[in-house]
Amino acid sequence: KNEVEQSPQNLTAQEGEFITINCSYSVGISALHWLQQHPGGGIVSLFMLSSGKKKHGRLIATINIQEKHSSLHITASHPRDSAVYICAVRYNYGGSQGNLIFGKGTKLSVKP
Amino acid sequence: DTGVSQNPRHKITKRGQNVTFRCDPISEHNRLYWYRQTLGQGPEFLTYFQNEAQLEKSRLLSDRFSAERPKGSFSTLEIQRTEQGDSAMYLCASSPPRESGLDSGANVLTFGAGSRLTVL
Repeated sequence: KNEVEQSPQNLTAQEGEFITINCSYSVGISALHWLQQHPGGGIVSLFMLSSGKKKHGRLIATINIQEKHSSLHITASHPRDSAVYICAVRYNYGGSQGNLIFGKGTKLSVKP
Repeated sequence: DTGVSQNPRHKITKRGQNVTFRCDPISEHNRLYWYRQTLGQGPEFLTYFQNEAQLEKSRLLSDRFSAERPKGSFSTLEIQRTEQGDSAMYLCASSPPRESGLDSGANVLTFGAGSRLTVL
């Protein structure tokens, strides 16, 4: 079964801390997404990766295709970063553009 | 264009009734997706349209579920004879054409706020 595993499930940090959220998947993928979901349901796409590393502001996403692993890093965390962060992948086996497999999410709470 | 719009935002219905949700994607986006999310879980893929063509349906989409995108713009998701297990947040997302060159950035997938269904 193709699954996406995220760790940790819950993460509490103090403002200013460096945060890492991990995502592992089981077979070859063509793309990996990092998404942010705020309370109330709104989902925002942060990154789409197929290799290497991407950076946007205080957010950095990396992917290691050989190890089937991706990380999302938040530098100088702030309470407004509190949200659920979701990893989603599109598998190579024939999944269409839309057939993303989602992790259960990592709930991040940043305390002031 | 204010993004992906979903209506209604919340629907409460009795078991056995039919419900319909509407999604208006970003106008330049030719690809549209429906997902379902239950509490504490990540979203699950339901179906995908490219323009008006429904290219993929998940096995999660039983024959009580039907989705359309008749003119390649807005889409509807109808659930017939609702069951309590259908209670979930139904999310719509859209993305631009691959050939636009815009499908690799942060905005590759834009989600609506979702339509929450409660079946009593």
